Amino acid sequence: EAQVTQNPRYLITVTGKKLTVTCSQNMNHEYMSWYRQDPGLGLRQIYYSMNVEVTDKGDVPEGYKVSRKEKRNFPLILESPSPNQTSLYFCASSPRNRETQYFGPGTRLLVL
Amino acid sequence: EDKVVQSPLSLVVHEGDTVTLNCSYEVTNFRSLLWYKQEKKAPTFLFMLTSSGIEKKSGRLSSILDKKELSSILNITATQTGDSAIYLCAVVGGGYQKVTFGIGTKLQVIP
Repeated sequence: EAQVTQNPRYLITVTGKKLTVTCSQNMNHEYMSWYRQDPGLGLRQIYYSMNVEVTDKGDVPEGYKVSRKEKRNFPLILESPSPNQTSLYFCASSPRNRETQYFGPGTRLLVL
Repeated sequence: EDKVVQSPLSLVVHEGDTVTLNCSYEVTNFRSLLWYKQEKKAPTFLFMLTSSGIEKKSGRLSSILDKKELSSILNITATQTGDSAIYLCAVVGGGYQKVTFGIGTKLQVIP
């Protein structure tokens, strides 16, 4: 089944404790992206990647890192999480046309 | 800075009504406009509109892109309770496939 998977789905952590949210797609898509969704602010793009080893900042990259060492994986790293990073995070991927994005199920993160 | 504005923010209609959702945008190097439906989970893709495909239809849903007015509408006819969701508009632009979403329109269809 074609899908985008994220892990974990729910995470509660404390300020400053490094964490990684994994994202994997099995559709051989070139383009992958991370978003956060907050009430009243909608979906905002954090980082995106057009291919292996090619990443770029979205609208809200501060406090986040990404890597794209393999085509199928695009992990999101929070080196030192803060409470303002409490949010719902979505990973998405799209094929060569880059524009019809398929979303993962979401990761709900709470930083205390 | 790229910008996508959706209206209304929220609306409540009765089953069988027709609704029109609006999306306007300001973006450099426009490539496409996308509509998504989001229920209590991840957004699911509805339509993609580009300069070469400014009108799309699928069942009771249809969408039109007005490149002159920098806007799009999403129409839903004969609404059903299953149409209740947040409808998101997104625009792809910029030289590197940057995606900007609006904050969405929350539609509630009551029996």
